[in-house]
Amino acid sequence: QSALTQPASVSGSPGQSITISCTGTSSDVGGYNYVSWYQQHPGKAPKLMIYDVSNRPSGVSNRFSGSKSGNTASLTISGLQAEDEADYFCSSYSSRSTHWVFGGGTKLTVL
Amino acid sequence: EVQLVESGGGLVQPGGSLRLSCAASGFTFSSYWMSWVRQAPGKGLEWVANIKQDGSEKYYVDSVRGRFTISRDYAKNSLSLQMNSLRAEDTAVYYCARDHGFTRDYWGQGTLVTVSS
Repeated sequence: QSALTQPASVSGSPGQSITISCTGTSSDVGGYNYVSWYQQHPGKAPKLMIYDVSNRPSGVSNRFSGSKSGNTASLTISGLQAEDEADYFCSSYSSRSTHWVFGGGTKLTVL
Repeated sequence: EVQLVESGGGLVQPGGSLRLSCAASGFTFSSYWMSWVRQAPGKGLEWVANIKQDGSEKYYVDSVRGRFTISRDYAKNSLSLQMNSLRAEDTAVYYCARDHGFTRDYWGQGTLVTVSS
């Protein structure tokens, strides 16, 4: 069982917006602004999409945005495209002995 | 271009050992913390261990502490993970990743470790 809770799946049509939630505790998501989001296509390595809650690495589309409220972080993808279909994982720094925790992943389906 | 290439995975019996390696290029290896992260088949990601730039600090997830050892070789720009007393639950794809601040910004393609008799 993953430390952070994500919905197993979300879906949306091309052009629409979707939001993926990531719920933790005050020991991780709620206590630090160190939430990251990763995109993973089947059989591929994870790709960093968002770091420090809302920052985008160079080269990542501005259709991807991140936010946080309390113990829940969110990833929003606007203007959905077929290529966005992938698994998305959240991660956070944690004050527990496990320094870094991940969510179980959310499968995004573009209808 | 940052590149991380893992090797050393394979099939090993329970209780056995395996050593994973990660060849790093395209950046100053000695300037970054480095991590190992694993993903069991069909499951989510799990951080396993990381090591400071100079190797003076190492951290492990509770489930591998005392069995796994992370290390780095500056001459070869290489990261390693020595895995002993392997268990079925260690079966996973193991990724090498570069730590940047409080995130992992580059990942390798991974190497599969299967622990089975």
